[in-house]
Amino acid sequence: EVQLVESGGGLEQPGRSLRLSCTGSGFSFGDYPVSWFRQAPGKGLEWVAYIRSKVYDETPEYAASVKGRFSISRDDSKSIAYLQMNSLNTDDTGLYYCARDLFTIQRVRAFDIWGQGTMVTVSS
Amino acid sequence: EIVLTQSPATLSLSPGERATLSCRASQSVSNYLVWFQQRPGQAPRLLIYDASNRATGIPTRFSGSGSGTDFTLTISSLEPEDFAVYYCQQRSTWPLTFGGGTKVEIK
Repeated sequence: EVQLVESGGGLEQPGRSLRLSCTGSGFSFGDYPVSWFRQAPGKGLEWVAYIRSKVYDETPEYAASVKGRFSISRDDSKSIAYLQMNSLNTDDTGLYYCARDLFTIQRVRAFDIWGQGTMVTVSS
Repeated sequence: EIVLTQSPATLSLSPGERATLSCRASQSVSNYLVWFQQRPGQAPRLLIYDASNRATGIPTRFSGSGSGTDFTLTISSLEPEDFAVYYCQQRSTWPLTFGGGTKVEIK
């Protein structure tokens, strides 16, 4: 079964750090770009970060709201993508999803497989 | 940043009725427009990509149309499982952006 599973969420104080993981299975993880999204409680979807596959030098993209604080990376040998979140603030609270992008494989710009999310709560 | 505006915010319909959802972009996104469905407590589900192409396994009652700045998602005859929130997303330029969502609720 093709799936993504997020982990690493939890309760953290403002100013502290968290690292989220997104583990893929059932497909060749390294062939696909991966993105992180988040959803604040009761709100809509927000794109957070994106990392290209190795063939495109694993170059990242970031939303303005997290640039300079968050860092995305990947370890294809473990089929994991990471989101390092530093200098957390209360606006970072939400359910964090990872998703794979079909672009590299099918030249289709669409996130077709999503994980179930991991909850991050930033509060003092 | 490209702003996507979805309307209406809420659509109250009965099973079997036709649903028409709109997504308008602040500038052209060509056909790089995606639709997702999100049921309560679930992750988003890809419905439509490139404005009009159904994703794998999506029923034919879902269709997408439009290009440039104006897009439509149509559900030809609502099934009970279709009552959910629908989001559009543009894949034309960075940063990626979503519309605010349309909730399709049972009337």
